[in-house]
Amino acid sequence: SQKIEQNSEALNIQEGKTATLTCNYTNYSPAYLQWYRQDPGRGPVFLLLIRENEKEKRKERLKVTFDTTLKQSLFHITASQPADSATYLCALGADTGKLIFGQGTTLQVKP
Amino acid sequence: EAGVTQFPSHSVIEKGQTVTLRCDPISGHDNLYWYRRVMGKEIKFLLHFVKESKQDESGMPNNRFLAERTGGTYSTLKVQPAELEDSGVYFCASSQVMREGTQYFGPGTRLTVL
Repeated sequence: SQKIEQNSEALNIQEGKTATLTCNYTNYSPAYLQWYRQDPGRGPVFLLLIRENEKEKRKERLKVTFDTTLKQSLFHITASQPADSATYLCALGADTGKLIFGQGTTLQVKP
Repeated sequence: EAGVTQFPSHSVIEKGQTVTLRCDPISGHDNLYWYRRVMGKEIKFLLHFVKESKQDESGMPNNRFLAERTGGTYSTLKVQPAELEDSGVYFCASSQVMREGTQYFGPGTRLTVL
């Protein structure tokens, strides 16, 4: 069955540094991959989408890479701020729209 | 524009009882998804509606779960009878397009079965 692993249970970094989150998957060939942010008590919020034929996508301070050979996506937040503290979810997308989520990585940015 | 809303926000019931969760998607979104997060686990897909039709219900755990989407608008998810393992947070999401569509999630319904 499909399996998604996101790095570490929690990631603690200093404000201003770059946070790098990892998403590895097996037994699946997604049509695309999405990253979501989730704050406590709320539903996930969409951040970025990257397609299987794309290597990199950027949006403001966010950057996502997608390596279908390694079956890995990296999610970067540059110049991180305390407001970036949240749980970040990787989700593999199918043609039907169904999303398969990883467990998420909790990011804590300290001032 | 109003986002996805879910009702109730919390529900505490006893094993064997029935609970109905409701989701109101963003107006005009044909695609509606139900997901569930059990404590300590990842968010898992339950089913997908396109308008009033079930497109994919492969994630439904068993026949104690019944989902409907009346007239292609709001959706309900009924659990009858509820079991302890049904506890978790149930999320609803909607999107305009299916493939690669941005899914807009509601705040979730936290269900506790005692």
